[in-house]
Amino acid sequence: SQQGEEDPQALSIQEGENATMNCSYKTSINNLQWYRQNSGRGLVHLILIRSNEREKHSGRLRVTLDTSKKSSSLLITASRAADTASYFCATPFNTNAGKSTFGDGTTLTVKP
Amino acid sequence: DVKVTQSSRYLVKRTGEKVFLECVQDMDHENMFWYRQDPGLGLRLIYFSYDVKMKEKGDIPEGYSVSREKKERFSLILESASTNQTSMYLCASSRENSPLHFGNGTRLTVT
Repeated sequence: SQQGEEDPQALSIQEGENATMNCSYKTSINNLQWYRQNSGRGLVHLILIRSNEREKHSGRLRVTLDTSKKSSSLLITASRAADTASYFCATPFNTNAGKSTFGDGTTLTVKP
Repeated sequence: DVKVTQSSRYLVKRTGEKVFLECVQDMDHENMFWYRQDPGLGLRLIYFSYDVKMKEKGDIPEGYSVSREKKERFSLILESASTNQTSMYLCASSRENSPLHFGNGTRLTVT
């Protein structure tokens, strides 16, 4: 089964509101990655949080990681219509642990 | 910036044809990947490669093969295309334990 699993599957909010997406994973990791995908395009890496970090910020993005619960969250503050996209978490690829695994993603719709 | 280039954005092929999807990256990454993405099924790994001439099966390798003759190029081959291979195909590359860099995808339709 997929290791990265996002929740909720879909989220619809108004511009200016905050959006929170959650991710659970199954194995030990040394980092967790979040990606964004605009409709019909490839994925773009947003932010990486290392296993020894609990929280990380990048602009309007805030990511938390709880390795004891094997979970992470992505918060987008003051959302904009341009944030409308699908968001995925992923465990990293390395030749020992095996392949990077993506969840099914959260589809975020931000209404103007 | 890393650039991952997929040779076609849209491709239409007939059932039974042999199809080549090409992917080139310009950052000397060791690892390269092919995924397919279908509604409701998320991203599924077809094959990956961690070195030249090395390949490993992913979750759904059946009906596909790959080739990595040079470090920068990773090709996905559909030996005999079928309608259930109609999908969005995404190529990616990365270093060990680092984020993946994706191409813009190839939307393949098999009729």
